[in-house]
Amino acid sequence: EAAVTQSPRNKVAVTGGKVTLSCNQTNNHNNMYWYRQDTGHGLRLIHYSYGAGSTEKGDIPDGYKASRPSQENFSLILELATPSQTSVYFCASGDAPWGFYAEQFFGPGTRLTVL
Amino acid sequence: AQSVTQPDARVTVSEGASLQLRCKYSSSVTPYLFWYVQYPRQGLQLLLKYYSGDPVVQGVNGFEAEFSKSNSSFHLRKASVHWSDSAVYFCAVKASSFSKLVFGQGTSLSVVP
Repeated sequence: EAAVTQSPRNKVAVTGGKVTLSCNQTNNHNNMYWYRQDTGHGLRLIHYSYGAGSTEKGDIPDGYKASRPSQENFSLILELATPSQTSVYFCASGDAPWGFYAEQFFGPGTRLTVL
Repeated sequence: AQSVTQPDARVTVSEGASLQLRCKYSSSVTPYLFWYVQYPRQGLQLLLKYYSGDPVVQGVNGFEAEFSKSNSSFHLRKASVHWSDSAVYFCAVKASSFSKLVFGQGTSLSVVP
């Protein structure tokens, strides 16, 4: 069954350290997304990608970088982690970003704590 | 700019009772509307979606939603809830074909015996 997986599932990092969150999808979808989920804010889009080699800024990209080395993999990179980046991060994939067919398939999430 | 509001952060209902979760959107045009569910320790899953046609749309597991253009709403309903429906429910909106998906804050549903 097609799936979106994320690693690690839980991560504790120190302020100023580098953190890499990984996402892999077997849906063969062109589009992939990174969101963060915070109480009172729902899900907010950080970065997204339309295919291998492409990354685009979402609504809250500051402090984050993204990398899409292949169709299957999409990474979120925090070069200098800060406590404000403590959150739950979700990766998603989708075949079509437009209109009625904009269904996205989500991974299980990564809980990141920055101390 | 499009936006979506879920006015109830938490809802508690008794098992077997009916349910309504509220969603209000702001958009200059009729948007694409979605409801997602997040079960504990899992990612989001699509429940149902709507763009045009019959304003009442059926989803999975007995859920349905009703679109109201006059009220700018897309409320989720279920006739009889089960304990396994306990989860966080997100309403989401796309203002146009190529705009991004915007999520509401979510409503945490607890179903009690």
